[in-house]
Amino acid sequence: AQSVAQPEDQVNVAEGNPLTVKCTYSVSGNPYLFWYVQYPNRGLQFLLKYITGDNLVKGSYGFEAEFNKSQTSFHLKKPSALVSDSALYFCAVRPPFSGGYNKLIFGAGTRLAVHP
Amino acid sequence: EAQVTQNPRYLITVTGKKLTVTCSQNMNHEYMSWYRQDPGLGLRQIYYSMNVEVTDKGDVPEGYKVSRKEKRNFPLILESPSPNQTSLYFCASSLALAGGLSGELFFGEGSRLTVL
Repeated sequence: AQSVAQPEDQVNVAEGNPLTVKCTYSVSGNPYLFWYVQYPNRGLQFLLKYITGDNLVKGSYGFEAEFNKSQTSFHLKKPSALVSDSALYFCAVRPPFSGGYNKLIFGAGTRLAVHP
Repeated sequence: EAQVTQNPRYLITVTGKKLTVTCSQNMNHEYMSWYRQDPGLGLRQIYYSMNVEVTDKGDVPEGYKVSRKEKRNFPLILESPSPNQTSLYFCASSLALAGGLSGELFFGEGSRLTVL
């Protein structure tokens, strides 16, 4: 079955330190990969996506994500965390054309807490 | 301003009392979708629509109905709500490209529904 795993319910990091939020997926073929962020009492906001090309993609608010095909991973990273980055982060996958291309499959979410 | 608008934002109702959650987008997007968000489960797709009069089931469609009579609107109908439909609901929209869903979803602010 197609799925997205975010192995950490919560990630704690000190302000100014680098952060990583992990995501692995189980989808055959070459999917599109996404990260979304949800701030309290708000809808999800698009952060970045990977379709093809360079394995390191850059997105909004200084975030970037690294695609690793052999490990089927798409980890979200930021070199220096801010307290304002504290939010719920979702990894999502759009299966390739032949496998359900009209949906995004979301992970369960990882809560990022950045401490001053 | 580009936005997806959901109403109501909060609703408490009783078992069996029909209700409708409205969703409207002003970006002329072909694709619209409803998700429910539950703790530990991430977002699960209820129904989606690729265009006017074209709708299809997502992963958890039981107990829900939708319609797409106009491009901008995609209401979610609970004919006979039950307590297990207590959840946070999100409407989202996106462009539909030749190869399928672009994946960059625009989300509404969410509708928190409680069924007693």
